[in-house]
Amino acid sequence: KAGVTQTPRYLIKTRGQQVTLSCSPISGHRSVSWYQQTPGQGLQFLFEYFSETQRNKGNFPGRFSGRQFSNSRSEMNVSTLELGDSALYLCASSSSPPTDTQYFGPGTRLTVL
Amino acid sequence: KNQVEQSPQSLIILEGKNCTLQCNYTVSPFSNLRWYKQDTGRGPVSLTIMTFSENTKSNGRYTATLDADTKQSSLHITASQLSDSASYICVVQRTGRRALTFGSGTRLQVQP
Repeated sequence: KAGVTQTPRYLIKTRGQQVTLSCSPISGHRSVSWYQQTPGQGLQFLFEYFSETQRNKGNFPGRFSGRQFSNSRSEMNVSTLELGDSALYLCASSSSPPTDTQYFGPGTRLTVL
Repeated sequence: KNQVEQSPQSLIILEGKNCTLQCNYTVSPFSNLRWYKQDTGRGPVSLTIMTFSENTKSNGRYTATLDADTKQSSLHITASQLSDSASYICVVQRTGRRALTFGSGTRLQVQP
């Protein structure tokens, strides 16, 4: 079974631009969660989607948004990029039950200049 | 406040030695606790998941323990190998919530 894939793997943007990151979950997984990882803050939960609906949202500004498609693929969008948005963005997929193991993708490394 | 604290922040051990990493949490109500291993530049990989009723779980050379009364967990690595060099992250989930609370991780370096 193929693992979680994320594209692109690396991205360089400038302040004020917007960016869209993509995540394809493991086949059959309907839950996709997004996380931001920085050296100072560690891993922080952004949001989770299940069956095209956002089920949970972390404490991030409205510039961070996401969506999930009918095939469970998910996209995350960040508008009006700030220097502090530079981070590794990780996507994780799982089956529905909350105690299911989350499988993480390799991440997208975003650098904002 | 729901928090997960890990210690030590970093650790250097010699190949073949054992080590124990600590995790204390205040997340409530508690659903489960997970340990992840994250190699540099890669996504975290799940090692164990423990619910309230489980106090020990093993995955090869990795053994996790959980004391839900004191809200403490440990991850013991036996006969360490160079490939164990990574960050180990403790994660706690609240009952009824899917969002996870992450610790800041312990960076382990195994030297030959």
